[in-house]
Amino acid sequence: DTAVSQTPKYLVTQMGNDKSIKCEQNLGHDTMYWYKQDSKKFLKIMFSYNNKELIINETVPNRFSPKSPDKAHLNLHINSLELGDSAVYFCASSISRTQRRNTEAFFGQGTRLTVV
Amino acid sequence: GNSVTQMEGPVTLSEEAFLTINCTYTATGYPSLFWYVQYPGEGLQLLLKATKADDKGSNKGFEATYRKETTSFHLEKGSVQVSDSAVYFCALNDYKLSFGAGTTVTVRA
Repeated sequence: DTAVSQTPKYLVTQMGNDKSIKCEQNLGHDTMYWYKQDSKKFLKIMFSYNNKELIINETVPNRFSPKSPDKAHLNLHINSLELGDSAVYFCASSISRTQRRNTEAFFGQGTRLTVV
Repeated sequence: GNSVTQMEGPVTLSEEAFLTINCTYTATGYPSLFWYVQYPGEGLQLLLKATKADDKGSNKGFEATYRKETTSFHLEKGSVQVSDSAVYFCALNDYKLSFGAGTTVTVRA
């Protein structure tokens, strides 16, 4: 069973479109994240949810909107896509942000978004 | 704020060579430290971790020791293989997971 799964794996779309990426974890974790990885492999945290509550919201354009219907799911919706949004987006989860400082995050396989 | 600095790549070496990737951190609290590995086309996987000073994490022949006095967590492997070619990330968790910039390692046969 895949612990953290995200769909789709590849997404090619035109500028100006709206798209969503879905993420699900079956680990029973309380905390989920979205990271953006650029072409130089740099990882930047975008959002973090703990038990459906938004706890980290880094400087991200408001065209990006996360939604967590329950603690096992964290989706990312992107409006009016731009060329600069092309990147690999990773979903991750961990047991709990506040209770377990020493726990690691588990990552999905990534979604490669290409905006043309 | 917390931050992680790791040596820039890319690093290219031959099979059976010794690998070291330097990592230093800045943190206000007492973080846990991690090394993650990303193989081509895949997500990040935990390679090893250490949760307190002087702890040594080890896995798949890789080792790293949590050095509080030098705020470092350098990754080492004594004899690399082609299959170790990947991007390696140092990270710290002080209630927020922060990553270094990643080091691309290529091992040639």
